[in-house]
Amino acid sequence: KQEVTQIPAALSVPEGENLVLNCSFTDSAIYNLQWFRQDPGKGLTSLLLIQSSQREQTSGRLNASLDKSSGRSTLYIAASQPGDSATYLCAVKNSGYALNFGKGTSLLVTP
Amino acid sequence: NAGVTQTPKFQVLKTGQSMTLQCAQDMNHEYMSWYRQDPGMGLRLIHYSVGAGITDQGEVPNGYNVSRSTTEDFPLRLLSAAPSQTSVYFCASSLGPNTEAFFGQGTRLTVV
Repeated sequence: KQEVTQIPAALSVPEGENLVLNCSFTDSAIYNLQWFRQDPGKGLTSLLLIQSSQREQTSGRLNASLDKSSGRSTLYIAASQPGDSATYLCAVKNSGYALNFGKGTSLLVTP
Repeated sequence: NAGVTQTPKFQVLKTGQSMTLQCAQDMNHEYMSWYRQDPGMGLRLIHYSVGAGITDQGEVPNGYNVSRSTTEDFPLRLLSAAPSQTSVYFCASSLGPNTEAFFGQGTRLTVV
C-alpha cells in the first residue's frame, strides 16, 4: 500500500522567506503527484499537478519537483506571504482510482 | 464556473438517522469520488464513479451508498448514521483517471 509522508508536520517562517515542503512516497510506480492547499474549514485547492514523466511544474511563486526514483517531491514557495498560511497536502496517484494523501504540512507565515 | 458544489456545509445527525450528502459538478467530468477527512488519518476514499451508471468501492465504503444517474451528480447516502461517521466529507471530480482532481468545499458532519 502506498504510504505518503510529509515533513515537517508544521512550519513557521517570517514573511519573505523562501521555503521548501517535503513529500515522500514508498511506491515509485506512480501516475502523477498533486499538491493541494487547504485553508481552515475549507476545501482543497489544487496547486500543481506533476505527471510521472515530468520533473517539475511551476505556477507563480510555486515550484514543485518530482524525483520518482527516490520517491520524493518538494514544493518550493518563493518570497512567502502571510496569505500563504495554510495546510499543504501532497497526494500520489498509483494504479486504481484513489489519491493517496499525506497528512499535510501546516504552514504559518508571520508578518 | 461553480466547479464542485457540496451541500449541506454542516449537518448534525442523531445515531440511526439517514441522510444524503449532495455533490454536483459543472465541468463535465467523468470521474467523481467521495473522501472523508479525519484528524490524524488524512483523506480516505469512500466510493468513486468513472461515469454515469458506474460506481465502485474505495478504502472505507462500509455504511455508505452511492449512485450516479447523471454525469453532474454523485450523492453519498448514509444509511444509518453512527458516531464513527463524524467527519468532514469531500467530493472530488476529474476529467480522467490521471488528470487534475478538483475538490468541493466539504460537508462537516457530526453524529451524536
